[in-house]
Amino acid sequence: QKEVEQNSGPLSVPEGAIASLNCTYSDRGSQSFFWYRQYSGKSPELIMFIYSNGDKEDGRFTAQLNKASQYVSLLIRDSQPSDSATYLCAVSASGSARQLTFGSGTQLTVLP
Amino acid sequence: EPEVTQTPSHQVTQMGQEVILRCVPISNHLYFYWYRQILGQKVEFLVSFYNNEISEKSEIFDDQFSVERPDGSNFTLKIRSTKLEDSAMYFCAASGSTGANVLTFGAGSRLTVL
Repeated sequence: QKEVEQNSGPLSVPEGAIASLNCTYSDRGSQSFFWYRQYSGKSPELIMFIYSNGDKEDGRFTAQLNKASQYVSLLIRDSQPSDSATYLCAVSASGSARQLTFGSGTQLTVLP
Repeated sequence: EPEVTQTPSHQVTQMGQEVILRCVPISNHLYFYWYRQILGQKVEFLVSFYNNEISEKSEIFDDQFSVERPDGSNFTLKIRSTKLEDSAMYFCAASGSTGANVLTFGAGSRLTVL
């Protein structure tokens, strides 16, 4: 059973702070890693993806991947109240380029 | 606005009835997917579809489910005989042919089975 684990939260940070979201996965063959944001009652929307070990930055967001530790994280700098949402980690299944396994998500609240 | 349009946004049906959920991806998408999310639970993969046939499916996608793209644009998910546990949000998603499997999700169809 391929698992993607996230702390469910809720995680609360003050406005302007850095929010750190973590995800571990069990499938060593996974090659692609995604962070989605999901507002309540809405569909997931892509924040960023990462393939290679290390950091990848996109605006206020930084994804970090460590394949040896099977760990991927998302940092949100200068958090805003509009960042309050559930953040979903998704991982490609080994042997499948097209199937994603999602974690249960971390609920983030940014306090004004 | 999502590039993937789903209808209906909400459907209420009686147990045992057939339901068809529809999705219209934009034209340059080549891979199509159905995922579902039971309230409060994870987003789960159901099926992927490419070149007019199923390319992968999960254990959830049993004989009561089917997909088709009958007219080259609409992509449908049919649930033949709905059960109470089929109540969920069903997301259609699409992706291009190259690079990362970056999914664009539709807004979802909420199915309520009574």
